[in-house]
Amino acid sequence: SAVISQKPSRDICQRGTSLTIQCQVDSQVTMMFWYRQQPGQSLTLIATANQGSEATYESGFVIDKFPISRPNLTFSTLTVSNMSPEDSSIYLCSVGADDEQFFGPGTRLTVL
Amino acid sequence: GENVEQHPSTLSVQEGDSAVIKCTYSDSASNYFPWYKQELGKRPQLIIDIRSNVGEKKDQRIAVTLNKTAKHFSLHITETQPEDSAVYFCARDRGSTLGRLYFGRGTQLTVWP
Repeated sequence: SAVISQKPSRDICQRGTSLTIQCQVDSQVTMMFWYRQQPGQSLTLIATANQGSEATYESGFVIDKFPISRPNLTFSTLTVSNMSPEDSSIYLCSVGADDEQFFGPGTRLTVL
Repeated sequence: GENVEQHPSTLSVQEGDSAVIKCTYSDSASNYFPWYKQELGKRPQLIIDIRSNVGEKKDQRIAVTLNKTAKHFSLHITETQPEDSAVYFCARDRGSTLGRLYFGRGTQLTVWP
């Protein structure tokens, strides 16, 4: 398996501001994935982050709202921009290892 | 389509009984079907997965079956214990990249002692 860490673990933010979430993996991976889990809901894929190229966004998610960086093979960031209360969710990064998919501990974001 | 239909949404069983959760999908391109357990306030944890070239996989008290023709797969937990209580999610890949998963809506399993 892979050891995945995220920072911050939680945050409370004011509407209109932005928050950058970091994801660190203990091994090099080609792709990193960002998911959102709204309160009491299932997981939804936001985008796929590849090193050296722009992230690929899923339907309903756009780069201006969720810019992603992938500077190397063990690290990625997701920014939630111009936040509104509807952005209150858990944001999780995910990586594959040994042909299986694992999740980080998540970042619990509350927007007031 | 995108959806993975998961049933039931809630399931209560007595300790020692079996629990079965079922998922159906429509995209025949899917090849990877993981199951995740999520305890309150924690990350989803992979508990078992199955690939399209296998019909059944078992790991101690947990088993998964896959019928690719009928496009459904199921999680079976035998001899349930109170610590099995959690939300369980099924998922499927999108046929191209392993990490691009569609998730079911989840099943809240409660095991009563």
